[in-house]
Amino acid sequence: GENVEQHPSTLSVQEGDSAVIKCTYSDSASNYFPWYKQELGKGPQLIIDIRSNVGEKKDQRIAVTLNKTAKHFSLHITETQPEDSAVYFCAASISFGNEKLTFGTGTRLTIIP
Amino acid sequence: DAGVIQSPRHEVTEMGQEVTLRCKPISGHNSLFWYRQTMMRGLELLIYFNNNVPIDDSGMPEDRFSAKMPNASFSTLKIQPSEPRDSAVYFCASSFGAGGTYEQYFGPGTRLTVT
Repeated sequence: GENVEQHPSTLSVQEGDSAVIKCTYSDSASNYFPWYKQELGKGPQLIIDIRSNVGEKKDQRIAVTLNKTAKHFSLHITETQPEDSAVYFCAASISFGNEKLTFGTGTRLTIIP
Repeated sequence: DAGVIQSPRHEVTEMGQEVTLRCKPISGHNSLFWYRQTMMRGLELLIYFNNNVPIDDSGMPEDRFSAKMPNASFSTLKIQPSEPRDSAVYFCASSFGAGGTYEQYFGPGTRLTVT
């Protein structure tokens, strides 16, 4: 089955700096890669996703890049703010017939004011 | 919409007792997922339903765990008998999709402690 590895497990950045979280996946058939943000005491919430037919997607301060050849994808957060502090999870799945998401182990991001 | 509703939010029980976790998905969603989150194992999919039918239960740890979805607006996850290693946060999520992959909306979770 699919295996998703995520790095780093913890990340601290100064407010205003950029943060990058990286994930690799094992199943070359995976074609859907969402990122979820989990705040303390809450369930994960989707913040951005990308499908394998594109290499990059942006939404304001958040961007995701995908390298299908290398089987890795990354989350980029620019101009970080205190409210970006949370745990971030990457995930992968083979869509169209299987909605099962395999999650990475999570990255605890701390924004230092 | 109220979002995905889970009850109870916290459950403390003794080893050997039966535990039932409940979930009400978002109205109109046709897929429902049960996850377990622990520090050691992260976020694991236990089982998911599509149109009330179990599609993949390969993540259910053992026979002590069972899940049902009697109708489109309600699902239960039951553990009988419970063990201390079942202590975790259990999330229910729902999505609207048919054959594709769509955003999963997570509930607030149930924190289970088995002593």
